[in-house]
Amino acid sequence: DSGVTQTPKHLITATGQRVTLRCSPRSGDLSVYWYQQSLDQGLQFLIQYYNGEERAKGNILERFSAQQFPDLHSELNLSSLELGDSALYFCASSVDADPTYEQYFGPGTRLTVT
Amino acid sequence: GENVEQHPSTLSVQEGDSAVIKCTYSDSASNYFPWYKQELGKRPQLIIDIRSNVGEKKDQRIAVTLNKTAKHFSLHITETQPEDSAVYFCAASYAGSARQLTFGSGTQLTVLP
Repeated sequence: DSGVTQTPKHLITATGQRVTLRCSPRSGDLSVYWYQQSLDQGLQFLIQYYNGEERAKGNILERFSAQQFPDLHSELNLSSLELGDSALYFCASSVDADPTYEQYFGPGTRLTVT
Repeated sequence: GENVEQHPSTLSVQEGDSAVIKCTYSDSASNYFPWYKQELGKRPQLIIDIRSNVGEKKDQRIAVTLNKTAKHFSLHITETQPEDSAVYFCAASYAGSARQLTFGSGTQLTVLP
């Protein structure tokens, strides 16, 4: 157990809908990263927050947004869902904003868009 | 931006043999190279990393080598065991806020008993 929690574990929804994925980092970690892992694909970096502020942005679609709250948990919002958004979404946390510090991954949320 | 290529995409070895996975990167500024292991249905976990000030690092049966001139790094697993079967991802980054890890596409390692 990495200490990072994600809810829900599974999510099934229809095209055009909006969903929110939640992540709680390890105690003491200030940085949260979001990744997308599609079937047979690697890990695609989406966005990073550090202590409530956006720090880095990857290939995140405009339909997707995220935020980190004062208690350091983070939410990833996915809207106008398409079939291609079906994937495993991981969050990871780290003690520092620098990506060379170890990132601890959560168990992931499997999103299925039908 | 950084681009990381990983080979092979699948690798099967007999138990007890060695396995080698190779990655190349494009950004000469990258100085941090972690390897993650992802078992089926599980989260990725860091197994070893190397920074550009060293050429090799070992941890029991796992080693990573780095060639900065050629911009490639490799994961070596010796005396493979069935529990080594997993997908392995390499990644590259460099220190500094607003940077990010760029991952390779992964290698499915299968250790045959």
